[in-house]
Amino acid sequence: AQKVTQAQTEISVVEKEDVTLDCVYETRDTTYYLFWYKQPPSGELVFLIRRNSFDEQNEISGRYSWNFQKSTSSFNFTITASQVVDSAVYFCALLYTGGFKTIFGAGTRLFVKA
Amino acid sequence: GAVVSQHPSRVICKSGTSVKIECRSLDFQATTMFWYRQFPKKSLMLMATSNEGSKATYEQGVEKDKFLINHASLTLSTLTVTSAHPEDSSFYICSARALGDYEQYFGPGTRLTVT
Repeated sequence: AQKVTQAQTEISVVEKEDVTLDCVYETRDTTYYLFWYKQPPSGELVFLIRRNSFDEQNEISGRYSWNFQKSTSSFNFTITASQVVDSAVYFCALLYTGGFKTIFGAGTRLFVKA
Repeated sequence: GAVVSQHPSRVICKSGTSVKIECRSLDFQATTMFWYRQFPKKSLMLMATSNEGSKATYEQGVEKDKFLINHASLTLSTLTVTSAHPEDSSFYICSARALGDYEQYFGPGTRLTVT
């Protein structure tokens, strides 16, 4: 079965704090892709990152960083020095090549307070 | 990057009427398009997958007669909500994928309100 679990429903932090959003996935496929999307109040999904199953290198993009660990089936997302503009819902997603479908986690709502 | 548009962005319709939502890939040919539904404060749920020129494949529990999907060209897919009821009110998002590409590009969504 394919599944994405984002156990944190809501997180509230104060500006400049670091915050990590957790994502755990399940799949039997050996080739798969993992994604993170941001959904601000406007509703439009904003693509943040894509990782394929053969690339476990961690990635940093500005204040954003991602930690992909196949051993624990996790793909966690950290925002460093959070800002109010980071307030949004963040979705982790899994594309499994067996079905060519993308499965979304339940999402984590992040509130960053000034 | 690839751009997907949706029209309309918001629509209000009366119960019992039908409403059509368009999804267009503006700068690439979308051999596959996906339709998602998102309830308030919930995740995206895949409704159906459509391949250009073929009938859509619906996910379990999605009524194909209620949610008519047409993907007649490589740049356009439409979702028609027939005989809409208030419970169909939701945020509908489409995405498009090109042949041989794993990436899917999302449209901005359509907020449907049925009164």
